[in-house]
Amino acid sequence: DAGITQSPRHKVTETGTPVTLRCHQTENHRYMYWYRQDPGHGLRLIHYSYGVKDTDKGEVSDGYSVSRSKTEDFLLTLESATSSQTSVYFCATSGPGGLGNEQFFGPGTRLTVL
Amino acid sequence: QKEVEQDPGPLSVPEGAIVSLNCTYSNSAFQYFMWYRQYSRKGPELLMYTYSSGNKEDGRFTAQVDKSSKYISLFIRDSQPSDSATYLCAMRSDNYGQNFVFGPGTRLSVLP
Repeated sequence: DAGITQSPRHKVTETGTPVTLRCHQTENHRYMYWYRQDPGHGLRLIHYSYGVKDTDKGEVSDGYSVSRSKTEDFLLTLESATSSQTSVYFCATSGPGGLGNEQFFGPGTRLTVL
Repeated sequence: QKEVEQDPGPLSVPEGAIVSLNCTYSNSAFQYFMWYRQYSRKGPELLMYTYSSGNKEDGRFTAQVDKSSKYISLFIRDSQPSDSATYLCAMRSDNYGQNFVFGPGTRLSVLP
């Protein structure tokens, strides 16, 4: 398995509070992604990064921001959490030379916004 | 209409059965097709990757892509209880950059 860790693994927070999720990889992969997974919707891309300080929006980016200051870390921030952001969040990475067709996923973070 | 459709199941089969999992899609620009397996409370793991149309076999797994019908399939032969998981199809187009589109997943149970 690719060395991808996510922290925290579980979090309960209240509406309006800021939340930051962390993804850490030890594979030196160029691409990193944040997805959310909800019943009936599958995995939906929030943001992705194609290098340090290089990020772009995905399908469901509203209400989320990201930062990547080091190759190994990709942070997802909910500036002001809402109940609609209750979900399971997955980080993924893919290798430096590829088009990202082989993605390796982290274990996920369960976020509950009350 | 969702861009990628997949029967959510659950699909229950006896051990040893041949399993057929399917996805349909609407965007003819998709060129790269993938199947992921996801165990409960785990991240998805890549099972099969296919470029454009055709078949690909890997052990008990066979992936088929029919671009003319916008239809992809994953077949599992001699299914085992350890195959019980949710199976996600995913696809990508060069036109979309790094954006992958996933189906909602089919939950499979293989009964001993």
